[in-house]
Amino acid sequence: NAGVTQTPKFRVLKTGQSMTLLCAQDMNHEYMYWYRQDPGMGLRLIHYSVGEGTTAKGEVPDGYNVSRLKKQNFLLGLESAAPSQTSVYFCASSYGGGDTDTQYFGPGTRLTVL
Amino acid sequence: QKEVEQDPGPLSVPEGAIVSLNCTYSNSAFQYFMWYRQYSRKGPELLMYTYSSGNKEDGRFTAQVDKSSKYISLFIRDSQPSDSATYLCAMSTLPQGAQKLVFGQGTRLTINP
Repeated sequence: NAGVTQTPKFRVLKTGQSMTLLCAQDMNHEYMYWYRQDPGMGLRLIHYSVGEGTTAKGEVPDGYNVSRLKKQNFLLGLESAAPSQTSVYFCASSYGGGDTDTQYFGPGTRLTVL
Repeated sequence: QKEVEQDPGPLSVPEGAIVSLNCTYSNSAFQYFMWYRQYSRKGPELLMYTYSSGNKEDGRFTAQVDKSSKYISLFIRDSQPSDSATYLCAMSTLPQGAQKLVFGQGTRLTINP
């Protein structure tokens, strides 16, 4: 049981390049989330999904797109990377619903945009 | 003004000390309060979860919520070097659908042997 995994662990992009971050979970969770973590800002929600085929915007969605074609996977895309998107990206998943729903986080992807 | 404020530290204390970590918030609709622990270059992991006001204890950890003051605390008793990490508070309103957490900036804590 690997929990939440993220691919890749590190990536360096040039401004304007595109890339996709992959999140996978093997806990049969319904809900999945993408966050970014910046110094002095804590974690901020980018997009989330409440089930296969659904996506919704979080607090800071601009410049990102997501897809949830399979229940176990949640992809985060950057179509044209900007230096402001340099950050550590975390994926999380949760069972879904209920007052005590717990989010389980992956190990993160460190992205640098030059 | 951020919805959730947390002193980023760093905070350095000797082993065995009692540690107090705090967050303040401005949104009175927050009902669920969490503390996450994040080791260096790792993802956050849930440490404590409290609903509404009151105290919750789990081993050496105690979480307190004072909704009247919009203030939450995490106490660590008999602190150990293994407690060295960044501690993030997080909170949410009554979840309808996904639990959209709002995080504090995190406090970096070092316990010195």
